[in-house]
Amino acid sequence: AQKITQTQPGMFVQEKEAVTLDCTYDTSDPSYGLFWYKQPSSGEMIFLIYQGSYDQQNATEGRYSLNFQKARKSANLVISASQLGDSAMYFCAMREGGLGSQGNLIFGKGTKLSVKP
Amino acid sequence: EPEVTQTPSHQVTQMGQEVILRCVPISNHLYFYWYRQILGQKVEFLVSFYNNEISEKSEIFDDQFSVERPDGSNFTLKIRSTKLEDSAMYFCASVVPTYNEQFFGPGTRLTVL
Repeated sequence: AQKITQTQPGMFVQEKEAVTLDCTYDTSDPSYGLFWYKQPSSGEMIFLIYQGSYDQQNATEGRYSLNFQKARKSANLVISASQLGDSAMYFCAMREGGLGSQGNLIFGKGTKLSVKP
Repeated sequence: EPEVTQTPSHQVTQMGQEVILRCVPISNHLYFYWYRQILGQKVEFLVSFYNNEISEKSEIFDDQFSVERPDGSNFTLKIRSTKLEDSAMYFCASVVPTYNEQFFGPGTRLTVL
């Protein structure tokens, strides 16, 4: 069974609009971390945001926020005020185990975001 | 800002040849990882390394693969006899124990002909 599911292979958003990229996960571990990475066409993996399973508040980093719904096992990424430079692949990932756990990341298949001018 | 570096950025090799991909993790990081990404697909975990030994490996990481930290700074991934299906982007990542983010290198694109 897939541990990370990203159901949107591709998304379009108008520049300056907000967009939500979906991610659902599956784990039986009570401690886990959820990550979003951006991969532009140049190929590098850029860390965007992290949410711990015990974090009380949704994570935010600038224009990025994570809509964490633990009961639904979802960790959607919200990008506000989209910019042309946001066009990229976005990967959701999970690490089982809490802070201090150094387990590997399990990635979803990604969502390709295209920002239209 | 410190960063993970990888060399070469692109390697082309013939099927059956050995390749060594090199990574220099961030200096105070203790855990190291190799991931691969076949073109157009998701990133897949290969192996993690801590305290000079493998701590975890995936089913992809078979006997054709090996890792080592030969000199305390470099972290290498060796593929002994490359196959066409080894063509992929290979990412190195490192992390400190008290921090969440795995810092990824820029990747090495391996093309097996």
